[in-house]
Amino acid sequence: EAGVVQSPRYKIIEKKQPVAFWCNPISGHNTLYWYLQNLGQGPELLIRYENEEAVDDSQLPKDRFSAERLKGVDSTLKIQPAELGDSAVYLCASSLGSHPTEETQYFGPGTRLLVL
Amino acid sequence: GDSVTQMEGPVTLSEEAFLTINCTYTATGYPSLFWYVQYPGEGLQLLLKATKADDKGSNKGFEATYRKETTSFHLEKGSVQVSDSAVYFCALTSTGRRALTFGSGTRLQVQP
Repeated sequence: EAGVVQSPRYKIIEKKQPVAFWCNPISGHNTLYWYLQNLGQGPELLIRYENEEAVDDSQLPKDRFSAERLKGVDSTLKIQPAELGDSAVYLCASSLGSHPTEETQYFGPGTRLLVL
Repeated sequence: GDSVTQMEGPVTLSEEAFLTINCTYTATGYPSLFWYVQYPGEGLQLLLKATKADDKGSNKGFEATYRKETTSFHLEKGSVQVSDSAVYFCALTSTGRRALTFGSGTRLQVQP
């Protein structure tokens, strides 16, 4: 079974430029998460989707970050404009659902962003 | 809010040594507890989990017991190998927040 797929794996951009990350979750997984991982730290949630609905986006900096999950499958996370402090690894994860019996999250390899 | 505290690294051990990585948590309701591992150059992988008090999660020789009375979920392994060198993350999900709350990670280095 294929795991969570993310692209690109690496991205280097100049500050003030836009950037987008793509995630394809495990087939059949209704819940999708985007996390931000700064160097030397644990991941932190940006947004959680249940199917196509964003049910927890309280930590998403909405002035520059946006996300969508059309049709409740793939998801895109966008930053516009990017700032130097956005340099980090962006992780996508998915789970069957949110109930404790189906909540185990599986992570993709991440997209490493460097803003110059 | 929810939080996870784990011991700072790096932890450096010789092969076949006993490993303990401490993890304590603060959470609302009845959290589920997890250990994730991140090998060099790879993504996060679930190592083990426990969903209720006194449950023991185990995998690949690693174990952790959900201790509600001490709000702890310490990771242990009786005999580490060089291949266990990685960063280990303790994490939880709670009744009010289904996303994972992670600790800051502990780097383990095992020397031959």
